[in-house]
Amino acid sequence: NAGVMQNPRHLVRRRGQEARLRCSPMKGHSHVYWYRQLPEEGLKFMVYLQKENIIDESGMPKERFSAEFPKEGPSILRIQQVVRGDSAAYFCASSPFREETQYFGPGTRLLVL
Amino acid sequence: GESVGLHLPTLSVQEGDNSIINCAYSNSASDYFIWYKQESGKGPQFIIDIRSNMDKRQGQRVTVLLNKTVKHLSLQIAATQPGDSAVYFCAEIKSTGNQFYFGTGTSLTVIP
Repeated sequence: NAGVMQNPRHLVRRRGQEARLRCSPMKGHSHVYWYRQLPEEGLKFMVYLQKENIIDESGMPKERFSAEFPKEGPSILRIQQVVRGDSAAYFCASSPFREETQYFGPGTRLLVL
Repeated sequence: GESVGLHLPTLSVQEGDNSIINCAYSNSASDYFIWYKQESGKGPQFIIDIRSNMDKRQGQRVTVLLNKTVKHLSLQIAATQPGDSAVYFCAEIKSTGNQFYFGTGTSLTVIP
């Protein structure tokens, strides 16, 4: 059973471009969470999704950021018109149920030039 | 060696010694806690969890202690090994919530 997959592992974008981060949860997991981690800091919750539904997006900036988890395919975190402050590691986690242990992917490291 | 979460973000211990990493959580309604280990360049890895109806839980070389009175969580690592060097995060969630709240983390360095 493969773990949580994220791609790309590293992404470089110039200011104003779009970044698309993909996350495939563990098999059998229908709950997906996205976190952002700045260097030397802890993980900050962004959004929690189930298939085709956004359950909690209270940690996600209101502008430029969006997330989806379609019926088929991976979850996507999309950042439009990236700025340098968006540079961070973005981690995806999945769980079989809401209150259960979240298993993390290896992360996508976004660098905005 | 012993750390006090946010006040001592780094901890160095000799190989073979026991390590204690502390975490002060903020929400008295939290009822599920997890310790994660994050090695450089990798995602957090589950170590051990505990629910609020327990005070102690043991795993392989690790023990988690929960003191709800003072909202304190600790991770004890027995016979610390170089492979234990990493940043350790505690995470809390309440049963009615949707998200885990992660502490700042403690960086553990094991000296061979």
